[in-house]
Amino acid sequence: IVLTQSPGTLSLSPGERVTLSCRASQTVGSNYLAWYQQKPGHPPRLLIYTTSSRATGIPDRFTGSGSGTDFTLTINTLEPEDFAVYYCQQYATAPLTFGGGTKVEIK
Amino acid sequence: QAQLVESGGGVVQPGMSLRLSCATSGFTFSGFPMHWVRQSPDKGLEWVAYISNSGGTVYYTDSVKGRFTISRDNSKNTLYLQLDSLRVEDTGVFYCSRAKLVPGGSGWGRASDMWGQGTMVTVSS
Repeated sequence: IVLTQSPGTLSLSPGERVTLSCRASQTVGSNYLAWYQQKPGHPPRLLIYTTSSRATGIPDRFTGSGSGTDFTLTINTLEPEDFAVYYCQQYATAPLTFGGGTKVEIK
Repeated sequence: QAQLVESGGGVVQPGMSLRLSCATSGFTFSGFPMHWVRQSPDKGLEWVAYISNSGGTVYYTDSVKGRFTISRDNSKNTLYLQLDSLRVEDTGVFYCSRAKLVPGGSGWGRASDMWGQGTMVTVSS
């Protein structure tokens, strides 16, 4: 399954709301879609699993939604620490695949 | 505190081998399936291999089948990835990650809820 993330880069200011898109080339079974955040020099960090469940310790400003082939990560009220690259991953069908990422940068 | 620490990366020539290790602590290693994931500027994040908690079930991405071998030693709380017949395109940071357990989940696919810091593998002539 090919995952396409858009846009490639977003330039935003702290306090803004952001919506990231992840589109799959075929249906993601059981909504097994995850979102990760990655900062330079660090490994990815799990934010959301099974489309909409927040991982341990993830603040509620991060919300995942979607089904089938279209999935969204929304960040309400961007905090300074949220500027990073975000990846989606499907783990329903082998091989597990990641999207190409969306970079959220400071405007 | 739970952690994963990779080691074993380095610079090698095409055709050579490396063995990566992922030492774990702070959780019951034998209870969790594990993944290896690779990241490179060219290919981004790429899932490489999966192993069940017992080690009895393994899966690989097509590009590494027959060349890489994932294994684990639950008595040592350590995950391994044997890399043979290395190619230039295998270059990247290799991460081990813990598969997240979700009650009632189906199939073997799992998100990764904990990651190591990664070990760099460079394949170059």
